[in-house]
Amino acid sequence: NAGVTQTPKFQVLKTGQSMTLQCAQDMNHNSMYWYRQDPGMGLRLIYYSASEGTTDKGEVPNGYNVSRLNKREFSLRLESAAPSQTSVYFCAIPEPRGDTQYFGPGTRLTVL
Amino acid sequence: GENVEQHPSTLSVQEGDSAVIKCTYSDSASNYFPWYKQELGKRPQLIIDIRSNVGEKKDQRIAVTLNKTAKHFSLHITETQPEDSAVYFCAAIQGAQKLVFGQGTRLTINP
Repeated sequence: NAGVTQTPKFQVLKTGQSMTLQCAQDMNHNSMYWYRQDPGMGLRLIYYSASEGTTDKGEVPNGYNVSRLNKREFSLRLESAAPSQTSVYFCAIPEPRGDTQYFGPGTRLTVL
Repeated sequence: GENVEQHPSTLSVQEGDSAVIKCTYSDSASNYFPWYKQELGKRPQLIIDIRSNVGEKKDQRIAVTLNKTAKHFSLHITETQPEDSAVYFCAAIQGAQKLVFGQGTRLTINP
């Protein structure tokens, strides 16, 4: 669906490698969010951005950096990937039907 | 910070029966509680929500109830169908629209 796109859909890394997960929205929202989802757990907030150029830590920010260079894009970077970062990563924007969030399709990341 | 507990972790019901999933939250300042449904390999999708000034909300076969005093809220699905099989997550909103999720309930509808 239009609204939020994430790239790549799948990625396999070796421990210590770096990569950037990309998120883009076409809804002109100020806020954007990054979550991770691990088996048997709900989604946990990594970082969020309330507006272009601003970012704040969420519940589990360690090991990640983010960048919000423009209103449309919010990227998540793993500088030195660890097996504990194996997860599904979801980007989110405000949900038009309520005061919550609408999630992108996700990126499934495996770190060996 | 907010902590959301969700039970049960798995639930199996016969098609046509009702299913109930319960969540508790810790922060009395939380005032908005969405429920998400996630099918295998897909994104979580909002199915219903409730605000703290409302005790119950219904949308066809789905309803949510909220007890502010006890700090718990529940999802009720009636006349369950096979397509209701999924993982369901409750959540509470903290400041700046930050979602705190429960651990999820895997619901299986048996034909």
